[in-house]
Amino acid sequence: EIVLTQSPATLSLSPGERATLSCRASQSVSSYLAWYQQKPGQAPRLLIYDASNRAIGIPARFSGSGSGTDFTLTISSLEPEDFAVYYCQQRSNWPITFGQGTRLEIK
Amino acid sequence: EVQLLESGGGLVQPGGSLRLSCAASGFTFTSYAMTWVRQAPGKGLEWVSTISGPGGSTYYADSVKGRFTISRDNLKNTLYLQMNSLRAEDTAVYYCAKRGVSSGSTLPSFDYWGQGTLVTVSS
Repeated sequence: EIVLTQSPATLSLSPGERATLSCRASQSVSSYLAWYQQKPGQAPRLLIYDASNRAIGIPARFSGSGSGTDFTLTISSLEPEDFAVYYCQQRSNWPITFGQGTRLEIK
Repeated sequence: EVQLLESGGGLVQPGGSLRLSCAASGFTFTSYAMTWVRQAPGKGLEWVSTISGPGGSTYYADSVKGRFTISRDNLKNTLYLQMNSLRAEDTAVYYCAKRGVSSGSTLPSFDYWGQGTLVTVSS
């Protein structure tokens, strides 16, 4: 099973700042990595698929990079609605796995 | 507009059974693999099971293998999850999710999610 480790567990930033979230895989997942955003009481929302492709309707301030085992989700300038929990997910090998999440909170 | 609507959750005793449904609309259902993902209270996301578009291939997490069965009715545009021998650790919100449009690996990412249905296993 591929283990995805997200860091940091919690990130405290202010609106307008840049956020950098990390996801590291225990073995290569090529570019088959997605990022999701989840707000309290809501279903997850796909932000990025295949490491760097923005999903439909996702603002340009969200970007993804990386390949192999190291991936990054960057939010260039935080808006108030961006404070949420973020998960990465690999689709390279069964079983599909998710990271444990990074909570992005307002400083 | 893609819509996924789960139903069937509720309170069940340990060892009991429950069947979840997910009614899909707004896309060609038979063309897309569908997946169940769960989230225990206050915890992260856990993949449960995936079924191919035609329904001939199914995949399960080890934690549910032999107890849960995923199926679909492509005439009714509905996804199911039959859950037997339920345990306390199966308590979670269960989401159905549609495979996103992507290439390469046959495994999915998920571009649309339902609102979830809560399953509580307790005596």
